[in-house]
Amino acid sequence: GAVVSQHPSWVICKSGTSVKIECRSLDFQATTMFWYRQFPKQSLMLMATSNEGSKATYEQGVEKDKFLINHASLTLSTLTVTSAHPEDSSFYICSASDGDTEAFFGQGTRLTVV
Amino acid sequence: DAKTTQPPSMDCAEGRAANLPCNHSTISGNEYVYWYRQIHSQGPQYIIHGLKNNETNEMASLIITEDRKSSTLILPHATLRDTAVYYCIVASGGSNYKLTFGKGTLLTVNP
Repeated sequence: GAVVSQHPSWVICKSGTSVKIECRSLDFQATTMFWYRQFPKQSLMLMATSNEGSKATYEQGVEKDKFLINHASLTLSTLTVTSAHPEDSSFYICSASDGDTEAFFGQGTRLTVV
Repeated sequence: DAKTTQPPSMDCAEGRAANLPCNHSTISGNEYVYWYRQIHSQGPQYIIHGLKNNETNEMASLIITEDRKSSTLILPHATLRDTAVYYCIVASGGSNYKLTFGKGTLLTVNP
């Protein structure tokens, strides 16, 4: 299957700082990328959908000013958690699709805010 | 809300076939059935998907009932590495493609 790479795999940051997570499609052009987060023992929750070159569409209850998503190219999307707080600690996962086939997921980023 | 219903957990003996059921009684005509799995602390892995015909690939087989209201994922010879949470998801293709995850089935393969 296609390869989607997330970076970093894990990050620890201080409360109040911002953290950027990158998601890259390595061998295909991702017209759409999705961002999820997953709390322990829970399922994945879709946060937002982004299409290359346009603003992301956020799911209900997700603060767009806190979770900044940029999808500037067909192979890269970034999620920035601004002014992170301990309750933002979670497993963040991206997925990418070329619009015609199934979506492929990155390996996830474990964010811990201290 | 998830549009699928799966048993929360199942057990399977190593080397035997694992049959994971999924109900999706409200599936629309243009929605596909997708199966993904998630091994602990990793991103989900695509397994297979189908519209109305049965599908088979190197990982699994997908059997969809004629009325499309349910399906079964079959892992023909389960190994310990197949222990994971398996998610059955219905979603439209193309520009409306969006995967919404339910709680899935925790499959435990026992030696």
